[in-house]
Amino acid sequence: QSVLTQPPSVSAAPGQKVTISCSGSSSNIGNNYVSWYQQFPGTAPKLLIYDNNKRPSGIPDRFSGSKSGTSATLGITGLQTGDEADYYCGTWDSSLSAEVFGGGTKLTVL
Amino acid sequence: EVQLVESGGGLVKPGGSLRLSCAASGFTFSSYSMNWFRQAPGKGLGWVSSIGSSSNYIYYADSVKGRFTISRDNAKNSLYLQMNSLRAEDTAVYYCARVGNSGTYRDYWGQGTLVTVSS
Repeated sequence: QSVLTQPPSVSAAPGQKVTISCSGSSSNIGNNYVSWYQQFPGTAPKLLIYDNNKRPSGIPDRFSGSKSGTSATLGITGLQTGDEADYYCGTWDSSLSAEVFGGGTKLTVL
Repeated sequence: EVQLVESGGGLVKPGGSLRLSCAASGFTFSSYSMNWFRQAPGKGLGWVSSIGSSSNYIYYADSVKGRFTISRDNAKNSLYLQMNSLRAEDTAVYYCARVGNSGTYRDYWGQGTLVTVSS
């Protein structure tokens, strides 16, 4: 059971927009920065968004992040079949003194 | 180019030990904190351990505390994870990751090494 809550799956058509939610509490998302990672099957996670809404160099602006209170959201616009992957949110939990993640969301581009 | 390459995984019996290594290149290793994460088959990501750039701090997940030891050798640009008293539930792909400049994210990950604990 993950500390952060994500929907197990989301889907949308190519070219459309999708959002992935990540819900936590005041001990984690509420008072710490959120990052998002993309993972294709059999490969390592890749940083997509850091510090709630910043994109590392090389990440297209189709990917965006936001945070409000104890929840965070990853947005992906102009969906491509190549975006099909698992997406994880992560942050520090001050009560647990541990890095915590959501259970992951599988994105399907129909 | 930043590269992190893990090694040392394999099949081990319950109660056994393994030492994982992570060879870093393409950046000043001694300037960055490092982490170990793991991912059980078909499951999500889990944090294992963290170490400061000069080993000035070390943290462990409760599930591995007292059994795993993280260390680093800045002269060899290498990160290690000594795993003792291994259990079936430790079976996972283990990743090393670099902590980003602000300390709030992990910006580079290795390809992972599989640890299987089974009799």
